[in-house]
Amino acid sequence: GENVEQHPSTLSVQEGDSAVIKCTYSDSASNYFPWYKQELGKGPQLIIDIRSNVGEKKDQRIAVTLNKTAKHFSLHITETQPEDSAVYFCAASMDSGGGADGLTFGKGTHLIIQP
Amino acid sequence: NAGVMQNPRHLVRRRGQEARLRCSPMKGHSHVYWYRQLPEEGLKFMVYLQKENIIDESGMPKERFSAEFPKEGPSILRIQQVVRGDSAAYFCASSRKYTDTQYFGPGTRLTVL
Repeated sequence: GENVEQHPSTLSVQEGDSAVIKCTYSDSASNYFPWYKQELGKGPQLIIDIRSNVGEKKDQRIAVTLNKTAKHFSLHITETQPEDSAVYFCAASMDSGGGADGLTFGKGTHLIIQP
Repeated sequence: NAGVMQNPRHLVRRRGQEARLRCSPMKGHSHVYWYRQLPEEGLKFMVYLQKENIIDESGMPKERFSAEFPKEGPSILRIQQVVRGDSAAYFCASSRKYTDTQYFGPGTRLTVL
């Protein structure tokens, strides 16, 4: 089955700086890669996703890049703000909805924005 | 449009009791997924259901765990004879169709004493 590795486990950046979180996946058949943000005591919220026919996608301060050859994808957050502090999870699946196997998640990155 | 609803938000059970977790998908969604999150861990897929059908339960423990999604009413994740290792946050997600994005509920935090 799919295995997703996520790094770093904790990331502390100064407010206004950029943050980068990286994930690798094992199954070359995976073609859908969402990123979720989870605040304390809440469920994961989708922030951006990318499909394998696209190399990069951007939404305001958030961008995701995908390298299918190397089987890794990254989340980039620019001009970080205190409200960006949360745990971020990457995930992978073979269908855009997660399909019959569900989403396979990384272990998460605790992003801390220092004022 | 209300999001995915889960209840209860917190559930405390003693070892050997039963736990019932409920999930109401978003309006118009007929696909439900259950995930378990242990402390400091990512979410682990448990089961995928459509109305009245279990599509994939490959992530479910073989004993004590069951799930259903009846024609009417919420999806239920049932854990019989709970043990301390069942303590975790349980999340459900729903999607409109098989290929759509999954949206998550707020979770149920189960504590087994």
